[in-house]
Amino acid sequence: QSVLTQPPSVSGAPGQRVTISCTGSSSNIGAGYNVHWYQQLPGTAPKLLIYANTNRPSGVPDRFSGSKSGTSASLAITGLQAEDEADYYCQSYDSSLSSYVFGTGTKLTVL
Amino acid sequence: QVTLRESGPALVRPTQTLTLTCTLSGFSLSTFGMCVSWIRQPPGKALEWLARIDWDDERYYTTSLKTRLTISKDTSKNQVVLKMTNMDPADTATYFCARTRGGTYYTDFWGQGTLVTVSS
Repeated sequence: QSVLTQPPSVSGAPGQRVTISCTGSSSNIGAGYNVHWYQQLPGTAPKLLIYANTNRPSGVPDRFSGSKSGTSASLAITGLQAEDEADYYCQSYDSSLSSYVFGTGTKLTVL
Repeated sequence: QVTLRESGPALVRPTQTLTLTCTLSGFSLSTFGMCVSWIRQPPGKALEWLARIDWDDERYYTTSLKTRLTISKDTSKNQVVLKMTNMDPADTATYFCARTRGGTYYTDFWGQGTLVTVSS
């Protein structure tokens, strides 16, 4: 079981805004380590969405944004589109485990 | 452009050693700040970070599998190799190699992954 907890699923209608949380602890997110977010479409490799908490790589729409506060981080998606239906994972470093860790993953359903 | 491609056996017997190769293109692991990571994903489950090797040959492993993993690089061949000993059916997963950027350590390019099944 991962030390980064995400809701198993979230859903929203096209055009709506959804957020996905990533809850950690004082040994990972709370310790100041960066959080990255990845999108995994069905049957494909993950794709980098957000790096270092709030930064979008070139080519990622500004509908995607990241934030971090205390021991948690969040991914927000505005103007939801059918193509956003995917699994989303957060990632950080955990000093207790001395290892990089991924979150438990969240399946986004566009209604 | 940056690409990574995993290769290795699709089927491994229990107790055997798995050897996976990641062939890099579009960047060099001898360049400052470049790293390559291995991540796996059991069918229907979450991603699991396994190991990373850096441009300066520093190596890092997930604690839970550290005794079973070895990561190495051959810069002249643009390849990174991951070995995992004593394979178990629980190790059945898609194994991804990916480029990781030093400093903030985010992974920006991924290979397509290779499914490894452990079965007798």
